Amino acid sequence: EVQLVESGGGLVQPGGSLRLSCAASGFTFRNHAMTWVRQTPGKGLEWVSAISASGGSTYYADSVKGRFTFSRDNTKSTLYLQMNSLRAEDTAVYYCAKDLPGYFYYYMDVWGNGTTVTVSS
Amino acid sequence: QSALTQPASVSGSPGQSITISCTGTSSDVGTDNLVSWYQQHPGKAPKLIIYEVSKRPSGVSNRFSGSKSGKTASLTISGLQAEDEADYHCCSYAGVSTLVFGGGTQLTVL
Repeated sequence: EVQLVESGGGLVQPGGSLRLSCAASGFTFRNHAMTWVRQTPGKGLEWVSAISASGGSTYYADSVKGRFTFSRDNTKSTLYLQMNSLRAEDTAVYYCAKDLPGYFYYYMDVWGNGTTVTVSS
Repeated sequence: QSALTQPASVSGSPGQSITISCTGTSSDVGTDNLVSWYQQHPGKAPKLIIYEVSKRPSGVSNRFSGSKSGKTASLTISGLQAEDEADYHCCSYAGVSTLVFGGGTQLTVL
């Protein structure tokens, strides 16, 4: 069974840092681009970042560029989202998602259950 | 990277058809066919139901269909069922290697 499990969420003060992880299983992880999407309470989805299968290319939304870093360890089938200089508006549920095969990161066919990040003093 | 525009809510009775619109700009929805739709039930993760404007992933009911005209994409659900009650999100490639989502539409089955 294809599965993605996020972890690392929690309460952090404004200006602080947090690292999210996403453990993948059930598919050949190193062959797939991956994505982070977040959702604020009661609101819509927001694309955050994507990474190529090799990890050599990363892409970011303007709202997080320069503060977040997306990386992956293909030997551990794990993604990482390092979040620095956190702001109240980063408060959200963060989902990792797998690409639809053949479509890079444009479409996401498997999603994790999300991990909650709360930025508050 | 402004969010795509969706109606906040739509409703329909069982058996009816409904359409949800998703309006963007010439830089996203209007520029290519990289439009998708996701269904999200309360407390659950999103599920891909339409990609490349009108294609359905394996296992998705053919009651779901997608289309696009200019800067507006649309999702149509025919033969509405109670289980279709959920939030629906559109998404488009927005250039400069980014994606943009719509604000989401809450579907109520009356």
